[in-house]
Amino acid sequence: QQQVKQSPQSLIVQKGGISIINCAYENTAFDYFPWYQQFPGKGPALLIAIRPDVSEKKEGRFTISFNKSAKQFSLHIMDSQPGDSATYFCAASTYNFNKFYFGSGTKLNVKP
Amino acid sequence: DAGVIQSPRHEVTEMGQEVTLRCKPISGHNSLFWYRQTMMRGLELLIYFNNNVPIDDSGMPEDRFSAKMPNASFSTLKIQPSEPRDSAVYFCASSFGSGSDEQYFGPGTRLTVT
Repeated sequence: QQQVKQSPQSLIVQKGGISIINCAYENTAFDYFPWYQQFPGKGPALLIAIRPDVSEKKEGRFTISFNKSAKQFSLHIMDSQPGDSATYFCAASTYNFNKFYFGSGTKLNVKP
Repeated sequence: DAGVIQSPRHEVTEMGQEVTLRCKPISGHNSLFWYRQTMMRGLELLIYFNNNVPIDDSGMPEDRFSAKMPNASFSTLKIQPSEPRDSAVYFCASSFGSGSDEQYFGPGTRLTVT
């Protein structure tokens, strides 16, 4: 059973638009929710992360929105740029346990 | 720091052969993870070590797969015998401490089994 469900599988956005990727989880013990960005031929790299004590975290053009009651979190990329074209993975874990449960990934293509 | 180092970057082998993938974690990190990435199954955790001890190997697909971490600076993932369905990109990642710390991924090894 997939612990973290991610959608959409792929996304095409025009330059300057907003990209939104959604994730949902079931395990209420999860308390750390990172997003990883992966470019072709590279390993995933941490983009931004949030803990459930806040409902939103913003770093530059990237924002995580977190809804604890709905057990959902999302990544918003404002003013999307062609350089943002990559695959994005959400993940979840518990503080006392190192294991990350990754979503299935979203391939983002930002058109110039 | 050079980051997580993996070798080889590409491996092409014939079915039935033994394959060994290598990983050097970031110095000072005490957790190490092996992942497999395919189009069909996404990013799967195979096994992870904490302080060189295997903690969770529930993701290892079958007995053909084995992993070792003889010291804090080196780990191997071995497939014996290899099969075409093992073709994938294998990532090694490391993190500092326990709990939800950032995992730093290596560049991956692209394995092709013919």
